[in-house]
Amino acid sequence: DIQMTQSPPSLSASLGDKVTITCQASQNINKYIAWYQQKPGKAPRLLIRYTSTLESGTPSRFSGSGSGRDYSFSISNVESEDIASYYCLQYDNLPPYTFGAGTKLELK
Amino acid sequence: EVQLVETGGGLVQPGRSLKLSCVASGFTFNNYWMSWTRQAPGKGLEWVASITNSGGSTYYPDSVKGRFTISRDNAQNTLYLQMNSLRSEDTATYYCTRVSLRRVPDYWGQGVMVTVSS
Repeated sequence: DIQMTQSPPSLSASLGDKVTITCQASQNINKYIAWYQQKPGKAPRLLIRYTSTLESGTPSRFSGSGSGRDYSFSISNVESEDIASYYCLQYDNLPPYTFGAGTKLELK
Repeated sequence: EVQLVETGGGLVQPGRSLKLSCVASGFTFNNYWMSWTRQAPGKGLEWVASITNSGGSTYYPDSVKGRFTISRDNAQNTLYLQMNSLRSEDTATYYCTRVSLRRVPDYWGQGVMVTVSS
């Protein structure tokens, strides 16, 4: 099974900052990585699929990149509504789906 | 508008069974694979089960294989998760998810809480 190593576990940012989260797969996942946002008490929301394709309604300040085993997710100009947890998900080699452990973004 | 509404959660004793349901609307249910994903309190996300659009094939991680069964009724636009031999580590919020035609879970229900405790 493919393992996803997500870092950092937590992140502290000021409004307007740029933040980056990384996920490393245990093997090549051919860009089949998605990123989700989860606010407390809510279901996850799909933001980005296939490394860098923004879902409808995802603000352009969110972006993704990467290839092979290494991927990153960034938020430029962090806004207060971005305070949440973020998860990566590999969906290349199914089953199983494998999530990263998550990153909690907090305001500094 | 895509909607997924889960029901059936609650408090159950270890070793007992529980069946979750998820009613789907706003899309052609029998065109899509569906999945269940769970989240233990304060923890991350864990995929639990997937089923093909016809229901002909199902998939599970080792953590639930042999204990959980995913099924669907395409005539009723409903997804199910039968959970047997429940353990305390199965305590979690369970989410019903639609799997997009591009293989990624795109829509999620609001979740239903399952607590396994004596």
